[in-house]
Amino acid sequence: GNSVTQMEGPVTLSEEAFLTINCTYTATGYPSLFWYVQYPGEGLQLLLKATKADDKGSNKGFEATYRKETTSFHLEKGSVQVSDSAVYFCALKLLDGNKLVFGAGTILRVKS
Amino acid sequence: KAGVTQTPRYLIKTRGQQVTLSCSPISGHRSVSWYQQTPGQGLQFLFEYFSETQRNKGNFPGRFSGRQFSNSRSEMNVSTLELGDSALYLCASSLAGAPRQETQYFGPGTRLLVL
Repeated sequence: GNSVTQMEGPVTLSEEAFLTINCTYTATGYPSLFWYVQYPGEGLQLLLKATKADDKGSNKGFEATYRKETTSFHLEKGSVQVSDSAVYFCALKLLDGNKLVFGAGTILRVKS
Repeated sequence: KAGVTQTPRYLIKTRGQQVTLSCSPISGHRSVSWYQQTPGQGLQFLFEYFSETQRNKGNFPGRFSGRQFSNSRSEMNVSTLELGDSALYLCASSLAGAPRQETQYFGPGTRLLVL
């Protein structure tokens, strides 16, 4: 089946630290990959996406590269801020239906 | 352009009751999907509607149903509520839904508490 595995959290970092959140996937086809972010009390916001192998998605200092050979889509940011504290979800989408398959989410806490 | 809106934002019901949640997609978007978010199960796909037809369905019991109107607005209904139905229900819209690279945009959710 199709599934997404994210590193368990919470991840606690100091401001300006480097962030990596690991994401790997299993898919029966050729998925598109997404990172969504959820701030407390809110819905999901698209952070970035990549639709084919070796594509790099980027937004607000966050980056992730679609690695087909390792079935991974790790999220990185060079210098986190307190305002980045949120839950981050990795997700995949296949051609068969408009359905996102999400990972369990990773809580990020950034301390000043 | 206005985002996805969901009403109500919060709801408290008792076991055995039924509830209807509403979602208005982004203007021009014809696909509406619903997801349930709980601490134990995470984010799970409920169903998707496109042009007033259910196009895709997740693994939920028949108590969960939905519909879409000609203006693309969608409602989901949960009958005979159970305690385990307490969750954040998220609606997402996209233009056509079929292309795998198309982005879904989410609303703020409706938080349902079943007592």
